[in-house]
Amino acid sequence: AQSVAQPEDQVNVAEGNPLTVKCTYSVSGNPYLFWYVQYPNRGLQFLLKYITGDNLVKGSYGFEAEFNKSQTSFHLKKPSALVSDSALYFCAVRDVTGGFKTIFGAGTRLFVKA
Amino acid sequence: DVKVTQSSRYLVKRTGEKVFLECVQDMDHENMFWYRQDPGLGLRLIYFSYDVKMKEKGDIPEGYSVSREKKERFSLILESASTNQTSMYLCASSLSQGGYTFGSGTRLTVV
Repeated sequence: AQSVAQPEDQVNVAEGNPLTVKCTYSVSGNPYLFWYVQYPNRGLQFLLKYITGDNLVKGSYGFEAEFNKSQTSFHLKKPSALVSDSALYFCAVRDVTGGFKTIFGAGTRLFVKA
Repeated sequence: DVKVTQSSRYLVKRTGEKVFLECVQDMDHENMFWYRQDPGLGLRLIYFSYDVKMKEKGDIPEGYSVSREKKERFSLILESASTNQTSMYLCASSLSQGGYTFGSGTRLTVV
């Protein structure tokens, strides 16, 4: 069975500092990996995905994520945080061989302080 | 701009009522999904559909059913609403390898 873990309920960073939001996953086959962001009182928005190829993927709003197969991780990163990045972030995984079902992590709330 | 539209932003229903949540997408996506979002639990999959008239149970299908009579529309039905079904309901659609496009959500309160 597939699963996703976001070990931090909350991450606090100062504006201008780099940020990392952690995600580890478990699937029986090869993974499709995703990050989504939810701003207050809004639906989830797609940020980026890893399907195959380069382990470093770039997405919206300056975010990027690094796929690490040996550590089964897909951490979200940004070189310089903005106050407007404050939101709830979800990591998600889909097993390539498991059909269309995507499992989401519990979410990590990011606070960026000015 | 591509869209997933959920018919209601807020709903208040009474225990025992039959509740219909509607979702329409305009992207010609094959796959559609219903999740519920609860604090600390993330998103949990209720049902999904990969084609018209096709449906698959997700992780928490009990107390729910779905209908997909047309490609663009995926309805979630609460057969007899209960207070533990108070939640935020999110509809999404996707292509096979794509990320999801989510609707804005329906916050359902069952009293």
